Amino acid sequence: GNSVTQMEGPVTLSEEAFLTINCTYTATGYPSLFWYVQYPGEGLQLLLKATKADDKGSNKGFEATYRKETTSFHLEKGSVQVSDSAVYFCALLLSGGGADGLTFGKGTHLIIQP
Amino acid sequence: DTAVSQTPKYLVTQMGNDKSIKCEQNLGHDTMYWYKQDSKKFLKIMFSYNNKELIINETVPNRFSPKSPDKAHLNLHINSLELGDSAVYFCASGLAGGRNTGELFFGEGSRLTVL
Repeated sequence: GNSVTQMEGPVTLSEEAFLTINCTYTATGYPSLFWYVQYPGEGLQLLLKATKADDKGSNKGFEATYRKETTSFHLEKGSVQVSDSAVYFCALLLSGGGADGLTFGKGTHLIIQP
Repeated sequence: DTAVSQTPKYLVTQMGNDKSIKCEQNLGHDTMYWYKQDSKKFLKIMFSYNNKELIINETVPNRFSPKSPDKAHLNLHINSLELGDSAVYFCASGLAGGRNTGELFFGEGSRLTVL
């Protein structure tokens, strides 16, 4: 089956630190990969995505590169801010048409301290 | 103007009761979903509907019954509530088929507490 594994949290960092949140996947086909972010008290929102190998998704200073050889899509940011505190979800989509749902990882809670 | 709106935002009820959560999207999307998020933030898809037709029905108790009166609405009715049903329920919408980009738009969630 399809699954997404990401590092468990919470991850606690100081402001301006470098961030990496690891994500690996298993899939029966060739998925698209996503990072979603959930700020406190809100629903999830798309942060970035990549649809094919070696694609790099980026948004708000965050980046992730689709690595087919290692089945990974690690999230990075060079200098985190307190406002980045949230839960981050890695997800995949195998599009076979229809209303296919995303498969999410378990989420990583990120806490940035001033 | 909220894109995906759910009501109520908070719901506290007793075991054994029946309750409903409503969801509406004004994005013109074909597909709507219900996800359940437990206390550890784990997200699990429950149902998806495409143009009022049930597409995904994961292993959830049949006490949970989704209803889609039209493609802009997907309601979730829960019978005989149990303690384990306590969670945050998220509605989401997106495009389907060849237009499915994987981008889902989520509501703010409905926190259900069963006492």
